[in-house]
Amino acid sequence: QKEVEQNSGPLSVPEGAIASLNCTYSDRGSQSFFWYRQYSGKSPELIMFIYSNGDKEDGRFTAQLNKASQYVSLLIRDSQPSDSATYLCAGWGSNSGYALNFGKGTSLLVT
Amino acid sequence: DGGITQSPKYLFRKEGQNVTLSCEQNLNHDAMYWYRQDPGQGLRLIYYSQIVNDFQKGDIAEGYSVSREKKESFPLTVTSAQKNPTAFYLCASTQRPGTEAFFGQGTRLTVV
Repeated sequence: QKEVEQNSGPLSVPEGAIASLNCTYSDRGSQSFFWYRQYSGKSPELIMFIYSNGDKEDGRFTAQLNKASQYVSLLIRDSQPSDSATYLCAGWGSNSGYALNFGKGTSLLVT
Repeated sequence: DGGITQSPKYLFRKEGQNVTLSCEQNLNHDAMYWYRQDPGQGLRLIYYSQIVNDFQKGDIAEGYSVSREKKESFPLTVTSAQKNPTAFYLCASTQRPGTEAFFGQGTRLTVV
């Protein structure tokens, strides 16, 4: 079982809408989680990180962590065409040694 | 500016040839990583190093080799034993476990 799972999409949302991206993880020892945005042919760039249960907001982005359900999400408000990219969820955990474990990514298309 | 530099940006390999991808960082990070990304896939860990002169295999280390002789440098060699090396290779570093990974701009390797 892969440690970090994401729906590959594509997720299509209209401009101005809220995009909701989800991620589940299998390692209950995971402590910190990261959302990266990756444009085609480019390297990933950090959007948000979250360590504690609950919500964390930064501008149009909100990361949510629920450790009991082993669930991480990223909400993008007022979606813009420039938000169209692949979003990678990643986590550290007791089973991942000393490296970030990445999901396969969710492709987001803002139309 | 601090960051991670990968070179070259594009690399072409002939069948049976070894090639080396360069990764240099000036962030003073102890830990460095190599990931491979195939189309539509996430990042898969090849090798990582927590400290100079020490490195560990990741999930897909077969056909690859690394060295860590200096804190700033973590080159990856794709050997002829790697039968399907065409992919996007990403080098990363972290300040300490549990924190964000910083990435280089990547090297796209193609077998010709």
